Amino acid sequence: NAGVMQNPRHLVRRRGQEARLRCSPMKGHSHVYWYRQLPEEGLKFMVYLQKENIIDESGMPKERFSAEFPKEGPSILRIQQVVRGDSAAYFCASSPLGGDTEAFFGQGTRLTVV
Amino acid sequence: GESVGLHLPTLSVQEGDNSIINCAYSNSASDYFIWYKQESGKGPQFIIDIRSNMDKRQGQRVTVLLNKTVKHLSLQIAATQPGDSAVYFCAENEPPRNNAGNMLTFGGGTRLMVKP
Repeated sequence: NAGVMQNPRHLVRRRGQEARLRCSPMKGHSHVYWYRQLPEEGLKFMVYLQKENIIDESGMPKERFSAEFPKEGPSILRIQQVVRGDSAAYFCASSPLGGDTEAFFGQGTRLTVV
Repeated sequence: GESVGLHLPTLSVQEGDNSIINCAYSNSASDYFIWYKQESGKGPQFIIDIRSNMDKRQGQRVTVLLNKTVKHLSLQIAATQPGDSAVYFCAENEPPRNNAGNMLTFGGGTRLMVKP
């Protein structure tokens, strides 16, 4: 069974460009979470999605950031007009159920804004 | 709780010794806790979880202890091996939650270094 797949693993963008990060959850998982991690820090929750719905985006910046999880295809985290402060590792996790169940993480996308 | 961007605390142990990694969590109403292991360049890997109606749970070579009175969580690793070297994070699932999600709040992490 494939785990949570994220791509690309590394992404370099110039300031002002757009970054698109993709996450394919584990088979049978309909709950997806995105987290951001700065160097030497813990992960910070950004957004929680189920198929075609954003359930909680309380951790996501109001501007420039958006997320979707369409009926078909991977979940996408989109960052418009990137700035240097967006440089971080972005992790996706998925679970088969909501609530207190184990969430499986992908290997992350490391975004570098130059 | 919130991490503040400082260098990670480091625990250095000899191979074969037992390791104890501690974590203070932030919300007394949290009812589900997880320990994750993160190796360099990789995503967090689930180690063990515990619910608030328990104070101890054991896995293979690992034990998690929960002290709700002082909001403290610990991870004990028996017979630590070089492959255990990584950063360890505790995470809590903080209520209130009106969406039944599993949104986790991560602690700041501890780097475990195992000397052969």
